[in-house]
Amino acid sequence: QQQVKQSPQSLIVQKGGISIINCAYENTAFDYFPWYQQFPGKGPALLIAIRPDVSEKKEGRFTISFNKSAKQFSLHIMDSQPGDSATYFCAASNYNNDMRFGAGTRLTVKP
Amino acid sequence: NAGVMQNPRHLVRRRGQEARLRCSPMKGHSHVYWYRQLPEEGLKFMVYLQKENIIDESGMPKERFSAEFPKEGPSILRIQQVVRGDSAAYFCASSLLATSGGYTTRDTQYFGPGTRLTVL
Repeated sequence: QQQVKQSPQSLIVQKGGISIINCAYENTAFDYFPWYQQFPGKGPALLIAIRPDVSEKKEGRFTISFNKSAKQFSLHIMDSQPGDSATYFCAASNYNNDMRFGAGTRLTVKP
Repeated sequence: NAGVMQNPRHLVRRRGQEARLRCSPMKGHSHVYWYRQLPEEGLKFMVYLQKENIIDESGMPKERFSAEFPKEGPSILRIQQVVRGDSAAYFCASSLLATSGGYTTRDTQYFGPGTRLTVL
């Protein structure tokens, strides 16, 4: 049972463009939604996270948009750079910190 | 403050051997989580431990896999009689018990660099 569905599986964006990755969840008990960035051969690193009491959170070029009624959230990377090329995972967890991950999106930013 | 440490980074075992993966959480963190990642796939939750206690092992295979987090020392993920299908990257994460707004929750999970297990 996949509790967090992520799309697209892969994404190619030109330098300077906007990268958008979408996730949907099923369990309404989830109350914490982080995004992780993973480079090849490395562990996932926390990028940005949001709780459901806000609809948007922005940190630099990274923005999370959250739609509680639709049970969807998305990551927007503005002014995408080649250094942003990585695999991005959305996740959702409940108060017990039982975290479930999406399948990942491989982002390639072309120079 | 050192991050989550995992060792070994790479481990090669033959079928039937045992694999032991170690994880030292970030200083002050008392919660440890183990995940498995197959090539081109996401992270699959395996087990959640606190010191000397297994809290949630719903993602652990019923046989051959075990985990512990002793009072002293690192957390250990142990795989007995490894098979080729066990080949994967195993990540551990740690978190801090946090209190915010009157609620006690577990904080963000921070990941280690992973152990890449190859079973020949």
